[in-house]
Amino acid sequence: DTGVSQDPRHKITKRGQNVTFRCDPISEHNRLYWYRQTLGQGPEFLTYFQNEAQLEKSRLLSDRFSAERPKGSFSTLEIQRTEQGDSAMYLCASSLSRWTGRAGELFFGEGSRLTVL
Amino acid sequence: GQQVMQIPQYQHVQEGEDFTTYCNSSTTLSNIQWYKQRPGGHPVFLIQLVKSGEVKKQKRLTFQFGEAKKNSSLHITATQTTDVGTYFCAGQAGNTNAGKSTFGDGTTLTVKP
Repeated sequence: DTGVSQDPRHKITKRGQNVTFRCDPISEHNRLYWYRQTLGQGPEFLTYFQNEAQLEKSRLLSDRFSAERPKGSFSTLEIQRTEQGDSAMYLCASSLSRWTGRAGELFFGEGSRLTVL
Repeated sequence: GQQVMQIPQYQHVQEGEDFTTYCNSSTTLSNIQWYKQRPGGHPVFLIQLVKSGEVKKQKRLTFQFGEAKKNSSLHITATQTTDVGTYFCAGQAGNTNAGKSTFGDGTTLTVKP
């Protein structure tokens, strides 16, 4: 399978714990995005990378959230000191670079569902 | 910041009826994309529109991008039960370096057989 893969698919944690999600993008895609989606809402932008460079981070994003893409391939999203409001589906997507004119064509993984008790 | 709004939020149709969803951005877009998300699934890319006034068709689906590049629509002719899902539009702002895509909250389509 050459699609976007995310791990774990489900995570249940207690408030105050740290969690980490991993995303493996489509191999030829150099852009990688993290979005968050709650029931009845569209995906909400969190951050994105061009290769290993983090180019934009949502201003609404708490300092408890951090993302990395150390070698320009897979990425991790860490949430520290989780809160109940962090419960959501965390979606990763990848795309080609803007030079192709197709940077807006996002290919999503199946998501990592986080439940904070 | 940029906002993308979609109407209606929900649409219930009888199989065979047509369906249209509308997308409006608060700012000019460089492009717009449409996605479909089935219940329990993840968003799946359908199409991208880039040019002012552009119209694209995919079988029974017709996508339009407004002349001012601030609005778009998706029209489905003769809906089928397989069309069930939530349709999202998303756009990249026209004054940025083709960065993030901002999504609307979607239109959820149900089709009664």
